[in-house]
Amino acid sequence: DTGVSQDPRHKITKRGQNVTFRCDPISEHNRLYWYRQTLGQGPEFLTYFQNEAQLEKSRLLSDRFSAERPKGSFSTLEIQRTEQGDSAMYLCASSPPSLTEAFFGQGTRLTVV
Amino acid sequence: DAKTTQPNSMESNEEEPVHLPCNHSTISGTDYIHWYRQLPSQGPEYVIHGLTSNVNNRMASLAIAEDRKSSTLILHRATLRDAAVYYCILRGYTGANSKLTFGKGITLSVRP
Repeated sequence: DTGVSQDPRHKITKRGQNVTFRCDPISEHNRLYWYRQTLGQGPEFLTYFQNEAQLEKSRLLSDRFSAERPKGSFSTLEIQRTEQGDSAMYLCASSPPSLTEAFFGQGTRLTVV
Repeated sequence: DAKTTQPNSMESNEEEPVHLPCNHSTISGTDYIHWYRQLPSQGPEYVIHGLTSNVNNRMASLAIAEDRKSSTLILHRATLRDAAVYYCILRGYTGANSKLTFGKGITLSVRP
């Protein structure tokens, strides 16, 4: 098992464009989390999936943001009409049913120009 | 969400023990105490967690106060690779309470 994988690692986009990030969790991890991190701050929770069900969304997740986890496997996070304030590191994490620990990916760094 | 309080930063000398404190006075009976660390340009990494008893693993030890309102992460011999931001987090075990809520953490610097 290679851990949590995120793609792409870096993304530069123009303001107003749509972007989509992918997260492949560790196999058999039923819980998946998305976070956003800006410079000098700790990661901020965005949304949580248990299997394919999206059980919680932060108020940080405006209507321009949408996340899916079809079939309870990989997940995607889409940002529509990107703004400069969306520039951040987007982190994905997964946990097994026992919730002993969460494993984080390396993140996708988004730069909106 | 239950909150934790940590100092902003701490310095240590290489090969000396490091004690990183955390206060969590509003902890509930079902909250586990988790510690993660984050090296520059990397995602957070699990360090250790516990409920009531002290815990040891290959990375660190976790000392939990008897009233559970504070805890201390202990690195027995700091190395330069331990320089990172360390987060103390309370984690529930039901549904969305299982999410990790990060604060600013404590930045550990290790002097050679």
